[in-house]
Amino acid sequence: RKEVEQDPGPFNVPEGATVAFNCTYSNSASQSFFWYRQDCRKEPKLLMSVYSSGNEDGRFTAQLNRASQYISLLIRDSKLSDSATYLCVVNMRGSQGNLIFGKGTKLSVKP
Amino acid sequence: GAGVSQTPSNKVTEKGKYVELRCDPISGHTALYWYRQSLGQGPEFLIYFQGTGAADDSGLPNDRFFAVRPEGSVSTLKIQRTERGDSAVYLCASSLLPVGELFFGEGSRLTVL
Repeated sequence: RKEVEQDPGPFNVPEGATVAFNCTYSNSASQSFFWYRQDCRKEPKLLMSVYSSGNEDGRFTAQLNRASQYISLLIRDSKLSDSATYLCVVNMRGSQGNLIFGKGTKLSVKP
Repeated sequence: GAGVSQTPSNKVTEKGKYVELRCDPISGHTALYWYRQSLGQGPEFLIYFQGTGAADDSGLPNDRFFAVRPEGSVSTLKIQRTERGDSAVYLCASSLLPVGELFFGEGSRLTVL
């Protein structure tokens, strides 16, 4: 099993749609979880951290399910500007700094 | 600017050559990371520094790869006897805390012919 797995997509959705991505991780001892966004040919940027209780930032909601070892990202009311690759990040190996990225899920929002 | 700076932005080299990639992190950030990213893939973890020491180098693919951060600021990733499979974008990131937000540089694109 890969350390961090994501559906690569692409997810092609119309503007205004709600879309959800899942990410599974292999290390049950992982403590830190994040979603990053990467635009084409650009560097990744933090979208949001994922907390045990779940968290929301505007149209974006992140959830953590420790029992099933997955995190999710929900985007409501999709905008054209949401088109990007969304990367799941998890710390591994009990090392705080061993932050492992998934392959990313590509989202394309169409008019 | 005050962001993470990486040089060179592009490097073309021949198979077998030695390459150095430099990263200048955000001032005050004690944590520094190196990743590499191939087309269509997520960033692949290489090494993480906390201060001057390599806290986790488990991602370095083999002994041709080495990284240093002698004064706890600038870091250099060194690749010996480059191979075509080393071609990728090498990303550096820094963070104020070990598991804080990562701020990435724009990357160094390495092409090995």
